[in-house]
Formats: sequence, C-alpha cells, structure tokens
Amino acid sequence: GENVEQHPSTLSVQEGDSAVIKCTYSDSASNYFPWYKQELGKRPQLIIDIRSNVGEKKDQRIAVTLNKTAKHFSLHITETQPEDSAVYFCAAIPNQGGKLIFGQGTELSVKP
Amino acid sequence: GAVVSQHPSWVICKSGTSVKIECRSLDFQATTMFWYRQFPKQSLMLMATSNEGSKATYEQGVEKDKFLINHASLTLSTLTVTSAHPEDSSFYICSGAHQGDIQYFGAGTRLSVL
Repeated sequence: GENVEQHPSTLSVQEGDSAVIKCTYSDSASNYFPWYKQELGKRPQLIIDIRSNVGEKKDQRIAVTLNKTAKHFSLHITETQPEDSAVYFCAAIPNQGGKLIFGQGTELSVKP
Repeated sequence: GAVVSQHPSWVICKSGTSVKIECRSLDFQATTMFWYRQFPKQSLMLMATSNEGSKATYEQGVEKDKFLINHASLTLSTLTVTSAHPEDSSFYICSGAHQGDIQYFGAGTRLSVL
C-alpha cells in the first residue's frame, strides 16, 4: 500500500524567510497530492494540491512541486508570516476517489 | 469550498457508555465519507471509509464492532463509539469526498472518556 514520509517534523523560520517541506511517496500509481494546514484543535484546511500530470502549481505565496520520477513532492511557502505557523500535512491518494494517506506532519513556527 | 459540519465538537463521557458523532455535508452530496482519528502531536489515521448505502470498509486494526459507522444518506454519516474507554479518548474527524479526490473536513470531535 501507499506510504508517505514527510520531513522535517519541525521547522522554525524567521518572518519573511521561505519554508520548504518535503514528502516522498511509495506508490507510483498515486495521482493526487494535497497539502493541508491544521491549526491547534482545528480541522485540516486544504491549502494547495497538485495532480500527477503537473510538475508545479503556485497560489500566491504557496507553491507545490512534484517529481514523479523520484516520487517526491514539496511545499514552498515564501515571505512567511506568523499566521503561517501551524502543522502542515502532505498526503497522497493512490487512485481516483480513494483514501488519503497522510504524512507525519510538520510543525512550522514563524518567528516575528 | 464545500462545507462539512460535524457535531458535537466536544464530548465527555463515562467509561462504558456510547457516543455518537454526526458528520453532514451541507452543500454537496458526499458519496464517500471518511473517518479519521488523531492523537495529540500525531498525524491523521484513517479509521474507515464509508460509502452511502453500503457497509463501511475498516482499516486494519480498527474494530468494526466498536466503531459503528452508518452512512444512510448522501449528506449524513455517523460514527458511534460503543462502550468507550479512556484509551478511546482522541480527536475524531470526518471528511466528505467532493468532485472525486478533494476531501473537505469536519471541525472534529474531541472525545474525553473518564
């Protein structure tokens, strides 16, 4: 079955710096890769996603890149702000409409 | 985005009692709903996948007789934790699948079993 590894587990950056979180997946058939942001005690919020037929996607300060050959995908946050502080989860879905397999999460702390 | 409503947000119960958690898709029809459990400082672990009108599919290690899932309509799924014990204390979150892959999450239910 699919397995998703996420690194780092914690990340601390200064406000204005960039943050990068990386994930690898095991199932080459996976075709959908969302990223979620979860604040303490709240629901995960979808912040960006990418499908396997695309290499990069950007939405304002957030971008995701996908390397299908290496089975890597990464989240890039530029110009970080204190409100970006949260836990971020990557995930993969092996097939259409299937279950999400989550990474272990990255606790991002943006220091003012 | 699509809205999923989950109730209650917090429940405290005595050991041995049962607790029901409701998950509703408010503005879309969720043919598939998922139930997750999240312990503090950990990731979301899928418990079961629920398709409307059919039996839920449970993940390995999840007791189907303890965690009863009902998905009677395209907008409502329920999770009942039967005979709850302190080790069942956790954050339970549902999600509804919308437009294929995209899942939208409920606000979660924090269960504390005394």
